[in-house]
Amino acid sequence: EPEVTQTPSHQVTQMGQEVILRCVPISNHLYFYWYRQILGQKVEFLVSFYNNEISEKSEIFDDQFSVERPDGSNFTLKIRSTKLEDSAMYFCASSPTINEQFFGPGTRLTVL
Amino acid sequence: AQSVTQLGSHVSVSEGALVLLRCNYSSSVPPYLFWYVQYPNQGLQLLLKYTTGATLVKGINGFEAEFKKSETSFHLTKPSAHMSDAAEYFCAVSDSGGNNRLAFGKGNQVVVIP
Repeated sequence: EPEVTQTPSHQVTQMGQEVILRCVPISNHLYFYWYRQILGQKVEFLVSFYNNEISEKSEIFDDQFSVERPDGSNFTLKIRSTKLEDSAMYFCASSPTINEQFFGPGTRLTVL
Repeated sequence: AQSVTQLGSHVSVSEGALVLLRCNYSSSVPPYLFWYVQYPNQGLQLLLKYTTGATLVKGINGFEAEFKKSETSFHLTKPSAHMSDAAEYFCAVSDSGGNNRLAFGKGNQVVVIP
């Protein structure tokens, strides 16, 4: 059964560094998403992506963040100048329609 | 903006007993409602969803949920808990108007007691 994959499973970085989180969505899906979950808090929407552009972003998704679909299969989230409060589990999701999102296993980002 | 409330972060249930997880939503437009399950070190897996039509929806692993508009609720039930049901469960809402971001509740950690 096709599934969303994410790499790495755990990323440790120093404060101020840039990180790129990678996702491979399910191949025939058209909509792509990033969410994050800070430890002990709700899963929060960051951004959705459709037709090679951002379709919606939350107030969390400021200039520190960017997304890209560089090669038709990968979907990446770049976080520039990481802060301690960026430590969280980041989930990628994809969907064939707007009705159902399939999630990856997540990348745990730890900012030291 | 949509939101979801799940009360009681930890829920203990005896094996074979009813599982009931409560979810109340807030939405200014007709909602789409979802329950996801997360097993340790895994992603979020869709259990079931309500979009339109029948208000009682059945999902995987014997779970079902009923959409009650008058109560703004979408509670999740399973008649008989199994040890393998130990996991975290999230209720989520999106709207039907094309804004498909999911708003999640805080989740319920279910512990099954043998």
